[in-house]
Amino acid sequence: AQSVTQLDSQVPVFEEAPVELRCNYSSSVSVYLFWYVQYPNQGLQLLLKYLSGSTLVKGINGFEAEFNKSQTSFHLRKPSVHISDTAEYFCAVREIRRNQFYFGTGTSLTVIP
Amino acid sequence: EPEVTQTPSHQVTQMGQEVILRCVPISNHLYFYWYRQILGQKVEFLVSFYNNEISEKSEIFDDQFSVERPDGSNFTLKIRSTKLEDSAMYFCASTSGLVADTQYFGPGTRLTVL
Repeated sequence: AQSVTQLDSQVPVFEEAPVELRCNYSSSVSVYLFWYVQYPNQGLQLLLKYLSGSTLVKGINGFEAEFNKSQTSFHLRKPSVHISDTAEYFCAVREIRRNQFYFGTGTSLTVIP
Repeated sequence: EPEVTQTPSHQVTQMGQEVILRCVPISNHLYFYWYRQILGQKVEFLVSFYNNEISEKSEIFDDQFSVERPDGSNFTLKIRSTKLEDSAMYFCASTSGLVADTQYFGPGTRLTVL
């Protein structure tokens, strides 16, 4: 079975500062990796995904993530955050040959003016 | 832009009652999913559905749960005899294809079991 660990449950950061949200996973097989954002009282929205190829993937809203196979990590980064980035962020994995997703516990990002 | 819709937005029920949560996936999508999120906890996969049958299910999805696509547009989750611990936000999602296509999530149904 897969597992996803998001090490930071809450991350406060000042506006225009950079941020990194950490995600580590464990899997014995190849996986696809995802980051989702959840704004208050809304469903999840895909930020970005890694399927194959370049280990640096760019997503919406200026976010990017880097897949590191040796460290089984998929950390999310943004060089300069905005107030509107305040939300819950979830990392997720899916085995390439299965149709079941595993989510982390989420990281609450709060951008401070 | 097409979107996944869910009804109702909030459902309150008594313990032991049956509830049906409804979802309308994006019209040309073929794969459908249900997830739940207990307050303050992570999103948990329940089940995936393709071609009118379950393709994957988690250990949470026991005999009290069932899914159905009763017509060409709705995708339902039935909980037969609700328990207090079923109180959660339930999300429906759909994708057009299988190869890690983007999942589109609905806004969720908040289920409260009293």
